[in-house]
Order: sequence, then C-alpha cells, then structure tokens
Amino acid sequence: QVQLQESGPGLVKPSQTLSLTCNVSGFSIISGSYYWTWIRQSAGKGLEWIGRVYTTGRTNYNPSLKSRVSISVDTSRNQFSLKLRSMTVADTAIYYCARARSYCGSECYDWFDPWGQGILVTVSS
Amino acid sequence: DIAMTQSPVSLPVSLGERATIHCKSSQSVLYSDNNQNSIAWYQHKPRQPPRLLIYWASIRESGVPDRFSGSGSGTDFTLTISSLQAEDVAVYYCQQYYSSPYTFGQGTKLEI
Repeated sequence: QVQLQESGPGLVKPSQTLSLTCNVSGFSIISGSYYWTWIRQSAGKGLEWIGRVYTTGRTNYNPSLKSRVSISVDTSRNQFSLKLRSMTVADTAIYYCARARSYCGSECYDWFDPWGQGILVTVSS
Repeated sequence: DIAMTQSPVSLPVSLGERATIHCKSSQSVLYSDNNQNSIAWYQHKPRQPPRLLIYWASIRESGVPDRFSGSGSGTDFTLTISSLQAEDVAVYYCQQYYSSPYTFGQGTKLEI
C-alpha cells in the first residue's frame, strides 16, 4: 500500500525558504511512470496545485508560483522535495504531497491518489 | 486558469437521504480524443488526507461505495451520494485536469 508522509518545519519566518520532503513508502518511485506532486491548502485560496516532478527529474510548476518554487526527486531515498523561496504570510497553508495518476497524450494531465496527511506550515516572525 | 465553482458551500442532509453537490467549470473540460470529461472528486475528512472518489467525471475509484456516483459533461458536473451514511460527513472537492495548472473547487461541506 502506497503511503506518503510530509516532513519539514512547521514555522518559517517571512523571506525565508521553505523546504519540505515527502517520503514514499510501499512503492518504489522509480518503478512506475508517475508524477509526484505538491498541493497546498490555505484559508484564502483553498486547494492550489504547486507543481510536480517525474522520476527523471522533469518538473512542471503552477505559473503563479514558478518564480519561487523548485521540486526535486531523490530516487535513492525514495522521496521528493519542495523548496519555496521568499515566503510570506500568504504562503501559510497545509502542504500535501501526492502521487499523480495521469492521462497522457502530447502532455500528461493528472488527478491525485494517494495523498499524504499534510503538514501545516505557518509563516510568522 | 480554469475556475471551478462548487455549490452549495454547505449542505445539511439527513441520514439515508440523497446528497447532491454541483461543480461548474469556467470552460469545457471534455477531451475530444477520448470523449471523457477530466473531472475528479475527492472526499476530505478531518485529520485524514483527501481521498479520491471519482475520476473521468463518473468512474468510481476502487473501494469507493457504490452510493457515490458522478455525472455531467462539458462544464456542469454532479457528485451524488444516494443514501447518506454517518461516515460520509466530510468536505467534498472537484478538480479539473483538462489543463495545467490543475484547479479545485472551493469545497462543499456535508453536514448532518
């Protein structure tokens, strides 16, 4: 059974960089053709797709966050990570990692299953 | 970005009753190459991760009770719970995956 678990700081100061890791268990990241995804949920914006990484390291990001975000994969540790720079109070949210299930034509389009439990990240000085 | 609008925001229902949640996309999400609508539905209970219920607008995920059903096409979609059980109390979200960035509805809170 695939399980995902987020880890990282629960409190970040404004202007700092958030670093989160998603540990995947019960499934080898390199064994299947999946995208691995970050999604966040805030009071102001609801659920927001942040971006995704493929096992090759190929990434796609939400244009609204693209200038500040990077997602990477570490297949040797069976995990993937999120970095979000220049954090502000508007970035306060629950951050989820998830595995994407995709329909691929010329591009791949995703829905999400399963999700991690989520980690609350608060931005405050 | 495709905007997703759910209604109602809150839905009081009684046990055993039918619950219907609506989701409207700002443009059609019908894929012409497979004639499927790129809509997923999720159930989110407190202190649990969101759970996939439905994809391609009407395909029930394995293990999801058959009282859950999805329907609709183009821009208008519905999630129906045919006979509400106590364990169905949750927030329900729709999501479009027709185009990136993927977007979600604001959620519908089911209350007994």
